[in-house]
Amino acid sequence: DSGVTQTPKHLITATGQRVTLRCSPRSGDLSVYWYQQSLDQGLQFLIQYYNGEERAKGNILERFSAQQFPDLHSELNLSSLELGDSALYFCASSVIPTTINVLTFGAGSRLTVL
Amino acid sequence: DAKTTQPPSMDCAEGRAANLPCNHSTISGNEYVYWYRQIHSQGPQYIIHGLKNNETNEMASLIITEDRKSSTLILPHATLRDTAVYYCIVRGSGGSNYKLTFGKGTLLTVNP
Repeated sequence: DSGVTQTPKHLITATGQRVTLRCSPRSGDLSVYWYQQSLDQGLQFLIQYYNGEERAKGNILERFSAQQFPDLHSELNLSSLELGDSALYFCASSVIPTTINVLTFGAGSRLTVL
Repeated sequence: DAKTTQPPSMDCAEGRAANLPCNHSTISGNEYVYWYRQIHSQGPQYIIHGLKNNETNEMASLIITEDRKSSTLILPHATLRDTAVYYCIVRGSGGSNYKLTFGKGTLLTVNP
């Protein structure tokens, strides 16, 4: 158990639907990162939050959005889902994004869009 | 961040040392080398990092060449549970963007 909690572990939904993935960072960590891993793309960085504020954006689609709440948990919202959104979504956390930045990853949420 | 080059796959016998190479010839002075691994479909796991000195922890050793253009991750006594994709990542220390960019990594297969 890494200390980063992601729910749900598995999710099956239909095209056009909307889902929310949740992440609770490791105790004491202030920064949260979201990554997408599909079979043909590898691990792709989506977005980073630090203490509630967006810090960096990667290849995140406009249909996707995220936020970090005052209690530091984060949610990734995926809307108008397409077949190609089927992937593993990982959340990671770190204490403070500084020079030495070690990320702790959760176990992931596997999304299947049918 | 500097680009890294890793062999796509390697094999190692159980109990032997696994030496995973990484080339990062464009690394700059303030960039660290990080190693993570991902066991099938699990979340990536941090292994070790270094700047210019060799580093060792309970999981592995990291050897960085003097010119810092390449490094080697050493798993001293590989076990079947070390079968995973190993990622070598180079990341700078400046700016507000502290994400890690993962490449394709090396699939290490430890054989009985």
